[in-house]
Amino acid sequence: DIQMTQSPSSLSASVGDRVTITCRASQTIISHLNWYQQKPGKAPNLLIYGASSLKRGVPSRFSGSGSGTDFTLTISSLQPEDFAIYYCQQSYTDQSFGGGTKVEIK
Amino acid sequence: QVQLQESGPGLMKPSETLSLTCTVSGGSVSSGNYYWTWIRQSPGKGLEWIGFIHYSGGTNYKSSLKSRVTISIDPSKNQFSLRLRAVTAADTAVYYCAREIQGYSTTWYDYWGQGTLVTVSA
Repeated sequence: DIQMTQSPSSLSASVGDRVTITCRASQTIISHLNWYQQKPGKAPNLLIYGASSLKRGVPSRFSGSGSGTDFTLTISSLQPEDFAIYYCQQSYTDQSFGGGTKVEIK
Repeated sequence: QVQLQESGPGLMKPSETLSLTCTVSGGSVSSGNYYWTWIRQSPGKGLEWIGFIHYSGGTNYKSSLKSRVTISIDPSKNQFSLRLRAVTAADTAVYYCAREIQGYSTTWYDYWGQGTLVTVSA
């Protein structure tokens, strides 16, 4: 099974901050990497697919990059509605998720 | 707008068989480009893929759950289902059904149900 490791597991940031979350796969997954946002009591919501493609309707402050084993989700200017948990997910072989990164208000 | 809705028991006893159904509206489970998926999330923990089924009947399951899991599909009711045998407290989780879409170069989950909490307790 492919293991997905996210870092950090949590972070505190202020509105307007630039936030970067990393995701590392235990083996190459090429660009089969998606990012989701989850708010309390809700199902995850897709933000980025294929490592860098922004889902229609998602604000452009979200961006994704990377290939192979190392990937990054960046929020260029954190907004109040962005405080949530973020998960990466690989779809290269079977499926697996990272452990999540909780973005909290500083 | 595609919607998915899970249904099933909220409380179970150890060793019982969990049965959950996902009813799809606004779209068809018989569409070719989709994989109908079950995912769970233990309280306070991350997300765990359980497996999927394609309308053709093809399935794929997480290796560590394979011996206990069956996913089936019923196009006549526009539903798909999960059966998990011999549950233990470790199977306590929110269970989500989701649609995995085959894009040009990769796949992703574009629609999710709201999730249903299943608690396993004696």
